[in-house]
Amino acid sequence: ETGVTQTPRHLVMGMTNKKSLKCEQHLGHNAMYWYKQSAKKPLELMFVYSLEERVENNSVPSRFSPECPNSSHLFLHLHTLQPEDSALYLCASSQVTSGRGEQYFGPGTRLTVT
Amino acid sequence: LAKTTQPISMDSYEGQEVNITCSHNNIATNDYITWYQQFPSQGPRFIIQGYKTKVTNEVASLFIPADRKSSTLSLPRVSLSDTAVYYCLVAIYGATNKLIFGTGTLLAVQP
Repeated sequence: ETGVTQTPRHLVMGMTNKKSLKCEQHLGHNAMYWYKQSAKKPLELMFVYSLEERVENNSVPSRFSPECPNSSHLFLHLHTLQPEDSALYLCASSQVTSGRGEQYFGPGTRLTVT
Repeated sequence: LAKTTQPISMDSYEGQEVNITCSHNNIATNDYITWYQQFPSQGPRFIIQGYKTKVTNEVASLFIPADRKSSTLSLPRVSLSDTAVYYCLVAIYGATNKLIFGTGTLLAVQP
């Protein structure tokens, strides 16, 4: 039990679809993150939220739109994706946004864009 | 930005001690070194974190020399279940955007 859950675990979508990924943390943390992990590539930090405010956006295409309605929930809205967006999308949370604190990761959503 | 370099893969046998070294030549004064473990189709899991010298917990030890340009994760007496990818991470205390994961080291433990 990592304390961070993600749904769905698997998602197949066409390039014209709109879908959303959901992340929920039950740890009382103040920071939440979205990462992308493509095959044979390092984890790429996409977005960082601290106390529901976005504090980091690492040049992510606008077809990815994050939303953090409260400190326990994080969404990633997807639209008009490309096949190269197929990857494992990981959500994480931490007590603070500094690099010192450990991050707790969810199991990820395996996304396939057809 | 501090960038990390690790071996792509390592092989070991059950019961052996495994040492995985990470290079981070551009590490800054306020950077911490963190190691994560990742199994297939799962999110990374925190193993250990340190700033200098040696840190030990119930699963691993982390050795950091005085110049801090490298670090070594030591796993005592590995088992088959330790087969995973291990990531070295250098992160700046107080910053939000300096979390840089390297390519990781695939550790394969054989019976």
